[in-house]
Amino acid sequence: GDSVTQMEGPVTLSEEAFLTINCTYTATGYPSLFWYVQYPGEGLQLLLKATKADDKGSNKGFEATYRKETTSFHLEKGSVQVSDSAVYFCALNYGGATNKLIFGTGTLLAVQP
Amino acid sequence: NAGVMQNPRHLVRRRGQEARLRCSPMKGHSHVYWYRQLPEEGLKFMVYLQKENIIDESGMPKERFSAEFPKEGPSILRIQQVVRGDSAAYFCASSYDSNQPQHFGDGTRLSIL
Repeated sequence: GDSVTQMEGPVTLSEEAFLTINCTYTATGYPSLFWYVQYPGEGLQLLLKATKADDKGSNKGFEATYRKETTSFHLEKGSVQVSDSAVYFCALNYGGATNKLIFGTGTLLAVQP
Repeated sequence: NAGVMQNPRHLVRRRGQEARLRCSPMKGHSHVYWYRQLPEEGLKFMVYLQKENIIDESGMPKERFSAEFPKEGPSILRIQQVVRGDSAAYFCASSYDSNQPQHFGDGTRLSIL
């Protein structure tokens, strides 16, 4: 079945450091890929998405590229801020009647001043 | 625009009682999804509903759990005869259609005594 694997956390960085959170997927078809962010005590917010191979999603300085050849969708940011501290979830879905999101286990990012 | 509204935010029940969780989707959204987040885990899909219809319930436990999304009013996730293992955060999401991104509420944290 389909699945998403994320790097284990927590990831601890100093402010202005470069961020990479790895995400790989196993899929039977051609899903859309997403990154969601969850701040403490809140629900998930869509951060970015990509719907087909080689698409790059970007938002708020974060970006991720849909790599079909390596089945990956790694999240990157050039310079993190303390306010980026949160849990980041990678996910996939197919839309249509099977529109459920399949999530990775999440990666906690802690940015220190 | 109001986002996805869930209530209550926190719900405490004793073993054997019933829990009813409510979700009002974003305005204009007719597709609703329920997910469960167990402690230290990612979100797991439970059920996908469109007004008055269950589209996919492949993630719902076979017993004690049910969901509805009536023509009028919020979607309800109902858990009968709760047990300690039901303690989790339950998130609702909604979308305009089955090919648009899902927007999440802030969740209901269910605690079973």
